[in-house]
Amino acid sequence: GQSLEQPSEVTAVEGAIVQINCTYQTSGFYGLSWYQQHDGGAPTFLSYNALDGLEETGRFSSFLSRSDSYGYLLLQELQMKDSASYFCAVRSGYSTLTFGKGTMLLVSP
Amino acid sequence: DTAVSQTPKYLVTQMGNDKSIKCEQNLGHDTMYWYKQDSKKFLKIMFSYNNKELIINETVPNRFSPKSPDKAHLNLHINSLELGDSAVYFCASSQSGTSTGELFFGEGSRLTVL
Repeated sequence: GQSLEQPSEVTAVEGAIVQINCTYQTSGFYGLSWYQQHDGGAPTFLSYNALDGLEETGRFSSFLSRSDSYGYLLLQELQMKDSASYFCAVRSGYSTLTFGKGTMLLVSP
Repeated sequence: DTAVSQTPKYLVTQMGNDKSIKCEQNLGHDTMYWYKQDSKKFLKIMFSYNNKELIINETVPNRFSPKSPDKAHLNLHINSLELGDSAVYFCASSQSGTSTGELFFGEGSRLTVL
């Protein structure tokens, strides 16, 4: 089966940088995804790493180390609108995505 | 145009009733899913269909029955509702074979069982 661990809550101030870590155990691994979900909204795709290294998309970057079964999401220049839950998810098959329990990010002024 | 739409958005019902949630996607994707998100925000896969064929069926009570009349639609019927079924149910779709496997989610259907 699959299991993912990520912190339940992270707090930061506007303009800061925050890193949300994710460790996973899985049988079969295609890649690690990150999703953002605002309160009352739908999860939306942020990034995907299939290979080791850093992927950058604007203020957000995602990192993967397959040998360590570890990844992180890095959010820079935090804005109030970044307050949301962030989920890492392991893709263990073409159509199989298992989510972590989510990290609630609270950004304060 | 909404890419993945599900109805109803809210559902309040009594224990023991039967209810259905409908989902449609206009993205041309070949794979659709139902996820359950509980009060602790844990997103758990329930079912996945690829081209109308069931490919994932997690340990879900058989009171839950998905139906995919075509690859653009995936409905969820729940019999004999229980208090523990209260949750937000998300429909999602994806296209198999893409490099990222990105899921596109509907806005969710909040089910409250009294």
